[in-house]
Amino acid sequence: EAGVAQSPRYKIIEKRQSVAFWCNPISGHATLYWYQQILGQGPKLLIQFQNNGVVDDSQLPKDRFSAERLKGVDSTLKIQPAKLEDSAVYLCASSSGHGTGGGETQYFGPGTRLLVL
Amino acid sequence: GNSVTQMEGPVTLSEEAFLTINCTYTATGYPSLFWYVQYPGEGLQLLLKATKADDKGSNKGFEATYRKETTSFHLEKGSVQVSDSAVYFCALRGQRGSNYQLIWGAGTKLIIKP
Repeated sequence: EAGVAQSPRYKIIEKRQSVAFWCNPISGHATLYWYQQILGQGPKLLIQFQNNGVVDDSQLPKDRFSAERLKGVDSTLKIQPAKLEDSAVYLCASSSGHGTGGGETQYFGPGTRLLVL
Repeated sequence: GNSVTQMEGPVTLSEEAFLTINCTYTATGYPSLFWYVQYPGEGLQLLLKATKADDKGSNKGFEATYRKETTSFHLEKGSVQVSDSAVYFCALRGQRGSNYQLIWGAGTKLIIKP
């Protein structure tokens, strides 16, 4: 079974530029998550989708970040314009259920490492 | 709100040493508890989990027991290998009806020397 795919793996941009990340979850997984992981910290949830609907985006900085999951499969996360503090690893994860089961396992992609100069 | 505290790293051990990485949590009710591992250059992988008090999760020689009385979920391994070098994250998820987000510790970097 193929895992969660993400691209690109690395991205370097200058501040005020825009950037987009792509995620393809495990086939059949209804729930998709985007996390931001700053060096030395645990991941922080940015947004959670169930199919193509948003379940939780309470920690997404909506003035600069946007995400979509058209057709309930692939997803893109965009930052426009980027700031220095956006330098982090952006992780995509998926799970098979509705995202509401306490013991439900999330499967993570390799992440995209973003450096904003 | 829910929170997770894990011991700071890096933790440096010799091969075949005994490993303990402490994790304590604050949560209402009965959360599910997880250990994830992140090997260099790779994504996070679920190592083990426990969904109710006194459950023991185990995988690849690692174990952790869900202790409700001490609100802990310490990770242990009897004999570590160089290949265990990675960053280990403790996480919890609230039970149905509460916050379903995974709440993460800051991670503990483990370095195993041959």
